[in-house]
Amino acid sequence: ETGVTQTPRHLVMGMTNKKSLKCEQHLGHNAMYWYKQSAKKPLELMFVYNFKEQTENNSVPSRFSPECPNSSHLFLHLHTLQPEDSALYLCASSQGLVGAFFGQGTRLTVV
Amino acid sequence: EDQVTQSPEALRLQEGESSSLNCSYTVSGLRGLFWYRQDPGKGPEFLFTLYSAGEEKEKERLKATLTKKESFLHITAPKPEDSATYLCAVQGNYGGSQGNLIFGKGTKLSVKP
Repeated sequence: ETGVTQTPRHLVMGMTNKKSLKCEQHLGHNAMYWYKQSAKKPLELMFVYNFKEQTENNSVPSRFSPECPNSSHLFLHLHTLQPEDSALYLCASSQGLVGAFFGQGTRLTVV
Repeated sequence: EDQVTQSPEALRLQEGESSSLNCSYTVSGLRGLFWYRQDPGKGPEFLFTLYSAGEEKEKERLKATLTKKESFLHITAPKPEDSATYLCAVQGNYGGSQGNLIFGKGTKLSVKP
């Protein structure tokens, strides 16, 4: 139990589908993040939220749309994805400079 | 450009055979260096934070050290359960966000009994 919970753990979707990834943190942190992890590549930061405000959008395509309704919940809305978007999507949270804590990830496959 | 390079990419050890993993970094003012462990199909598990050169942290068979250009993760007498990918990340003095971690590609460690 890491304190950061992601659902679903696995997702297969067609290129015309719309789906959402959910993340919830139980650590009382004020910052939340979405990362993408592809095979043989470093983790890529996608979005950052501090106190529910988006402070970073790392040139992510508009087919990925984040939502942070409160400091404990984070969503990633997906639509018209491409096969190259298949990856492990990781949510993380942090409070100060003590290191980000990650969820278990959602393994996304786009067919 | 800020970057993190980890070596080797893969490391195979016999149980009990001590070794070290390397993380070289270039960053515009280091705020912190982080080590994570990642098991297949799971999210990274936080291990250590190092803030300044000369600092050391220990946890069981793992010891992390930091210089101005690199960090080492020393593994003493490893066991098969230490097999995982070890990730290094740095955070520099840029932007206002707390989480702009730049990650290396990781070192995949395999420990054989």
